[in-house]
Amino acid sequence: GESVGLHLPTLSVQEGDNSIINCAYSNSASDYFIWYKQESGKGPQFIIDIRSNMDKRQGQRVTVLLNKTVKHLSLQIAATQPGDSAVYFCAEPGSWGKLQFGAGTQVVVTP
Amino acid sequence: SQTIHQWPATLVQPVGSPLSLECTVEGTSNPNLYWYRQAAGRGLQLLFYSVGIGQISSEVPQNLSASRPQDRQFILSSKKLLLSDSGFYLCAWSVAGTSLGSNQPQHFGDGTRLSIL
Repeated sequence: GESVGLHLPTLSVQEGDNSIINCAYSNSASDYFIWYKQESGKGPQFIIDIRSNMDKRQGQRVTVLLNKTVKHLSLQIAATQPGDSAVYFCAEPGSWGKLQFGAGTQVVVTP
Repeated sequence: SQTIHQWPATLVQPVGSPLSLECTVEGTSNPNLYWYRQAAGRGLQLLFYSVGIGQISSEVPQNLSASRPQDRQFILSSKKLLLSDSGFYLCAWSVAGTSLGSNQPQHFGDGTRLSIL
């Protein structure tokens, strides 16, 4: 079936560097994507979303890029900080607002 | 602004005991409501969702049930817990959209860590 998945299970990043987290999707009809951040012991926190009529969207220190040709999206975090250490999920809403999540990427920020 | 509350934050229960986890949303009306379970180091599995009072849809067969007695209250229950019911349970809400889905994010509570002994 259609799915949303992540390429890398763990990403180690030095503090101050930029992080890039990747996500592939298989449903070419998908028109909306969301990135979540989940810190240990907490619920996922909405970071940023993007609709399929956009290629790029920027937030505070985060940028999401959408490449519909290869069905790939990425989350870029600028100047990664220790507080960015978390699991990051991409998700795609289905019917009735249900979300389909990948397994997540663990981002570890090292000093 | 909208807020979502889940309780308790942690719960330790013996096998065979009943369960009731509660979730409430404030600051919005007629939200879509969702229950997820997350195994350690894994993604989220949707258990139930509701688009209105008294309306519950189940995603997977299991030992759990859900109810929505009020517009902004969502309850996850079990009559007899199994060891396999251990996990991290998350409630979420989204703005009610069109009948076939809406491009809206879901907003999550901080979850309940359930351990079955």
